[in-house]
Amino acid sequence: ETGVTQTPRHLVMGMTNKKSLKCEQHLGHNAMYWYKQSAKKPLELMFVYSLEERVENNSVPSRFSPECPNSSHLFLHLHTLQPEDSALYLCASSQDPPEGKNIQYFGAGTRLSVL
Amino acid sequence: AQSVSQHNHHVILSEAASLELGCNYSYGGTVNLFWYVQYPGQHLQLLLKYFSGDPLVKGIKGFEAEFIKSKFSFNLRKPSVQWSDTAEYFCAPDWGGGYNKLIFGAGTRLAVHP
Repeated sequence: ETGVTQTPRHLVMGMTNKKSLKCEQHLGHNAMYWYKQSAKKPLELMFVYSLEERVENNSVPSRFSPECPNSSHLFLHLHTLQPEDSALYLCASSQDPPEGKNIQYFGAGTRLSVL
Repeated sequence: AQSVSQHNHHVILSEAASLELGCNYSYGGTVNLFWYVQYPGQHLQLLLKYFSGDPLVKGIKGFEAEFIKSKFSFNLRKPSVQWSDTAEYFCAPDWGGGYNKLIFGAGTRLAVHP
């Protein structure tokens, strides 16, 4: 158990559905991250929130919409996804001083399948 | 653009063999370096990290890595692997900028046979 909990663990959705992924961290951290892990591709950073403000958006399509209502919770809202969006979506958190140098703690991920 | 390269995508070893996994990263100023590991069915977790100081760093489970600045490398080593080391290993530099911004390598799948 890492202190970062992701729900659901598995999700199957059609291309016209709207769903949300949830991440909750119990570590008192001030930064949270969404990553996409696809087969045969490196782990891709999607979004970074620091102190509840989005500080990084790595050219992610608008069909992915993140939300960080407080420092403990992070959501990824999904709508009109494509089959190529099928992947493992990982959430991470860290405690960031200005110079970084801190460890990211990862959740177990949500395995998403888009039909 | 900043990048990281892991040279071996799949490695198969017998127990007690020595392991070295290569990692090279592009120049981008001050960099913090991490190795993460993902055991089958488990979450990504930190194996070891380098921020500054002694370039030879030790991590969990007998792993170590050496930072060679002149070669932009941070290779992972273990003198004698065990079956339980079967996992995927990721090198991840962080060029900082106010928050962690890890760039993950493609990963190396290690299979250790008894």
